[in-house]
Amino acid sequence: EDKVVQSPLSLVVHEGDTVTLNCSYEVTNFRSLLWYKQEKKAPTFLFMLTSSGIEKKSGRLSSILDKKELFSILNITATQTGDSAVYLCAVVKTSYDKVIFGPGTSLSVIP
Amino acid sequence: GAVVSQHPSWVICKSGTSVKIECRSLDFQATTMFWYRQFPKQSLMLMATSNEGSKATYEQGVEKDKFLINHASLTLSTLTVTSAHPEDSSFYICSARGSHNEKLFFGSGTQLSVL
Repeated sequence: EDKVVQSPLSLVVHEGDTVTLNCSYEVTNFRSLLWYKQEKKAPTFLFMLTSSGIEKKSGRLSSILDKKELFSILNITATQTGDSAVYLCAVVKTSYDKVIFGPGTSLSVIP
Repeated sequence: GAVVSQHPSWVICKSGTSVKIECRSLDFQATTMFWYRQFPKQSLMLMATSNEGSKATYEQGVEKDKFLINHASLTLSTLTVTSAHPEDSSFYICSARGSHNEKLFFGSGTQLSVL
């Protein structure tokens, strides 16, 4: 059975801290891995990763994929209160017909 | 990024009534649309996948006669919750993607409350 696991499930940090969110997967016919940020309503797209070892970067956020060990990490440096959200990891299968989400990591950044 | 519009944003209805939720892709053709349900502090649970012009594929445990999905055009999919009951109260969210495109674009979600 396809599975996407995220850890930790929740995290509380102080502004300025650096956090690492983890996503591991057991999925047949893997094609790509997606990271989303969900605040109140619709998740917003962060990164799409298809190749191992290539870091994607956007401002203070970065992510990398390891297809051999079947995991990805999302790093956030110098966290701000606006980073407080649920971060969702999802895996797309090669058939395009299914996207499997992990349970999410709830991040709270306190001043 | 692409825009997906979902309507209504919230709805309150009486038990036994049916509720229709619309999901539209505004600036691209969505060959596939997904419907998710999300309970508070939980992740997105896939309910069904719909491809334009064909019947939706429902996940295990999701009643297809209760959650009717129609994807009649490349820009519109609808989810109808038939004979809604209080246990159907939840946040429903759609997502869409174009042909051979991994990125999902999400609607803003619909909060359904059944009294």
